[in-house]
Amino acid sequence: ETGVTQSPTHLIKTRGQQVTLRCSSQSGHNTVSWYQQALGQGPQFIFQYYREEENGRGNFPPRFSGLQFPNYSSELNVNALELDDSALYLCASSLGTSVGYEQYFGPGTRLTVT
Amino acid sequence: GIQVEQSPPDLILQEGANSTLRCNFSDSVNNLQWFHQNPWGQLINLFYIPSGTKQNGRLSATTVATERYSLLYISSSQTTDSGVYFCAVDDYNDYKLSFGAGTTVTVRA
Repeated sequence: ETGVTQSPTHLIKTRGQQVTLRCSSQSGHNTVSWYQQALGQGPQFIFQYYREEENGRGNFPPRFSGLQFPNYSSELNVNALELDDSALYLCASSLGTSVGYEQYFGPGTRLTVT
Repeated sequence: GIQVEQSPPDLILQEGANSTLRCNFSDSVNNLQWFHQNPWGQLINLFYIPSGTKQNGRLSATTVATERYSLLYISSSQTTDSGVYFCAVDDYNDYKLSFGAGTTVTVRA
């Protein structure tokens, strides 16, 4: 059974640029959620994707957007990067979208915005 | 949204000691998970425990859903237990996991 994978592991971008982060869900999982973790804090929910559609969104601006593909992998796109976007971005997959499903996390992408 | 509080914020242990971490939450939950975040940032699943008691080796967890709290027990701690432990819940109205601020555990040899 393949776990959740993310790429790249590290990324350095300049303020104002755009970035795309990628996530492959665990085998058999059809739901992907993205979280942002700032230094010293717990992860914060960005959004969830199910059947290629956004299925819930946290308190993040529209410049945070995503996609889910037919194979359930997902992308997180951030436009017009700001210094405060520097964080660890975590992807999680689960068997379904209903409440109560256990979520499994990938190793994360550490984004630094300078 | 649901509030999650973890205590203590920091814990320093001597190798071999036992400890208890607590997670309080403000509303009924469908899902409660405990994670250990390793130094590289990955969240490792420890327990999926919306209610009841589970054990896995030196770790065990108990959730009392009616009283809205969960406990994580670490017995005979080892240096490899060091890291940040997070409790996360989702409530009946939402799909997202809401995380506590974490407990940073340092185990000294």
